[in-house]
Amino acid sequence: QQQVKQSPQSLIVQKGGISIINCAYENTAFDYFPWYQQFPGKGPALLIAIRPDVSEKKEGRFTISFNKSAKQFSLHIMDSQPGDSATYFCAATRGYSGGSNYKLTFGKGTLLTVNP
Amino acid sequence: GAVVSQHPSRVICKSGTSVKIECRSLDFQATTMFWYRQFPKQSLMLMATSNEGSKATYEQGVEKDKFLINHASLTLSTLTVTSAHPEDSSFYICSATSVFGSGTRLTVV
Repeated sequence: QQQVKQSPQSLIVQKGGISIINCAYENTAFDYFPWYQQFPGKGPALLIAIRPDVSEKKEGRFTISFNKSAKQFSLHIMDSQPGDSATYFCAATRGYSGGSNYKLTFGKGTLLTVNP
Repeated sequence: GAVVSQHPSRVICKSGTSVKIECRSLDFQATTMFWYRQFPKQSLMLMATSNEGSKATYEQGVEKDKFLINHASLTLSTLTVTSAHPEDSSFYICSATSVFGSGTRLTVV
C-alpha cells in the first residue's frame, strides 16, 4: 500500500514556466511534509518542507501548497530554469518533534525537465 | 547547516565479499539514522532504522543478516553488505533528521 502518491511521473516545462508536482497522502497521522530534489548519482537534498498547520510556504521560487482536508500537497516551481531539471520527491512522516523522528515515506518521484 | 557525510561514494566488489559503508553526521549528533536503497529511476526504499547503542530495526523483507547495521556512536552508523551478490548492486543512501548523505553506488561483479 503506497501511502504517498505522487504525480506526474515526468514533466517537461519551458524555461520561465511554472512546474507543478502533486502529492496525496493517506495517513492522517503524518505531520511533516518535505520535498526533495535529487540529481543523478547524488543523494536527495531538502528543498522545502511544511507542517499541516499552515496552508502555504514559500522559499524563493519554491512554494508548497497544503490542503489538509483533501490530504494533498503540491510543489510549485516558479520561473523554472534548466538547472532545476532533476527528480523531485515528496515525502511524509509522523511523530515530528523538533527533528527527533524522520522516518520518511516517499512518493515515487517526478522527473522534471526544463527546456531552455 | 547540518551535513551528513557518506563514504565511499562508489565501490566495486567481487561477488561473495563484504562491503562497509559509513554514514557520519558532521556537526550534530544523531541517535537515529536511516538507510535507504534506490534502484535506477525509482524512489527511495527504507531498509532499516539505525539506533545508537541498540539494535537496528529492519523493514519487512530486508535481510538483517545480509545488511548489518552498527550505530556505535552518536555520529556514525555503518551498513555492511555481507556476502554481496550482483543483485545487491544498487545506490545506498543514509540520512539523519531530514538530511541525506550523498549516496554510495555499489556494484557487485
